[in-house]
Amino acid sequence: GNSVTQMEGPVTLSEEAFLTINCTYTATGYPSLFWYVQYPGEGLQLLLKATKADDKGSNKGFEATYRKETTSFHLEKGSVQVSDSAVYFCALSDNAGGFKTIFGAGTRLFVKA
Amino acid sequence: DVKVTQSSRYLVKRTGEKVFLECVQDMDHENMFWYRQDPGLGLRLIYFSYDVKMKEKGDIPEGYSVSREKKERFSLILESASTNQTSMYLCASTSVSFNQPQHFGDGTRLSIL
Repeated sequence: GNSVTQMEGPVTLSEEAFLTINCTYTATGYPSLFWYVQYPGEGLQLLLKATKADDKGSNKGFEATYRKETTSFHLEKGSVQVSDSAVYFCALSDNAGGFKTIFGAGTRLFVKA
Repeated sequence: DVKVTQSSRYLVKRTGEKVFLECVQDMDHENMFWYRQDPGLGLRLIYFSYDVKMKEKGDIPEGYSVSREKKERFSLILESASTNQTSMYLCASTSVSFNQPQHFGDGTRLSIL
């Protein structure tokens, strides 16, 4: 079945550091891939998405590229801010999975000033 | 913007009570979902619905039921609350296309005493 594996946290960085959060997936169909972010006390919100191989999703300085050959969708940001402290979830949905989305376990990011 | 509204941010109930969690979305989405979120376990799907009066079990439906009498409203019911149902509950909605993201409410933090 479909699954998503992302790196365990927490990840602690200083402000302006480079961020990478790894995400790999297995899927039987042709998935769309997502990164969601959850700020303290809130629900998840979409950060970016990519719907086919080699697509790059980007938003708020974050980027992720859909790599079919390595089944990966790593999240990157060149210079993190304190306000980026949150939990990040990698997720996939595909036509074989019906209406369901499969989420990774989440990676908590702390950014220190 | 899509808005998903959960009726309570915090709720405290007693063991054995019947508990209702309500969720309303305003974007005419066909699909709605209930998840629970626990530390270290990520998001787990309880139930989902792809149309009025239709429901499907997710990964952990035991001890829960749902109701969808109107398209915009999806209710989660704890038939007889137990302490192991203390958790954060998240409602989400999405349109029919699998490559669209889910839109989440802010969550209900439920404590069962």
